[in-house]
Amino acid sequence: GAVVSQHPSRVICKSGTSVKIECRSLDFQATTMFWYRQFPKQSLMLMATSNEGSKATYEQGVEKDKFLINHASLTLSTLTVTSAHPEDSSFYICSASDPQGLLEAFFGQGTRLTVV
Amino acid sequence: AQSVTQPDIHITVSEGASLELRCNYSYGATPYLFWYVQSPGQGLQLLLKYFSGDTLVQGIKGFEAEFKRSQSSFNLRKPSVHWSDAAEYFCAVVAGGTSYGKLTFGQGTILTVHP
Repeated sequence: GAVVSQHPSRVICKSGTSVKIECRSLDFQATTMFWYRQFPKQSLMLMATSNEGSKATYEQGVEKDKFLINHASLTLSTLTVTSAHPEDSSFYICSASDPQGLLEAFFGQGTRLTVV
Repeated sequence: AQSVTQPDIHITVSEGASLELRCNYSYGATPYLFWYVQSPGQGLQLLLKYFSGDTLVQGIKGFEAEFKRSQSSFNLRKPSVHWSDAAEYFCAVVAGGTSYGKLTFGQGTILTVHP
C-alpha cells in the first residue's frame, strides 16, 4: 500500500518558538493532504486540507496564522505551529489520499508535540 | 454535515472471545464508511471500508463489518480476539463526492484484552 511518512515523531519545544512538521508521500503523488489533531483520549479532528500549489483550506475554529500549512510539491506538506503555547501540545497526524483509486486515506505515524 | 458516534468508550474482552464495536453514523446519502485502528502513539491503519455493494465487508486481521442502512450502523466484529488486538478503534465517514482523506471520526473505542 501507499506510504506516508511524518517527521519528527516527537518534538519538545519552548513556549513562543515555532515547530515544523513534515508529511511526505513516499511512493505516490498526493495533490491533497490532510492535517488532523488529536487531544489525549479524544478523537481526531480535521484541522485543514492542504492543496498542492494553492492555499490550504482550514476548518472552522482553526487559526490559519498559527498553523501554517505549505504544500509546495506533490509529495510534501508541512505544518508549522507558530509561537507555540502549552495548549498547542497535542498529537498531530497527516494523511493523504491516493489519487490512483485505492479509495482510502493513508496516515503518517503522527507527531507528538509538547510545548514547555 | 455527517457525524459518527461510537457509543462505547472502553470495552474489555477476554482473549478468544468475540468482539463487536458499535458505530452509528448520520448522513443524508449513502456514506463511505471506514474502520481504523490506532496503537498508542502511532498513526492509523485501515481495517476495512464500505462504499457500496455487499453490506458485509471483510477486512484485515480477521475483522469484518456490516453496513445496516436501516439502523445507520456499521459495527465492527471479530469472532476471536487476540491480545495483539488491544488498541483504539475509530469509525469514520466520508461524504460522497469529497476526497477520501476528509474523514469525520467517531470518538473512538479503546479495546482492552485480558489473557
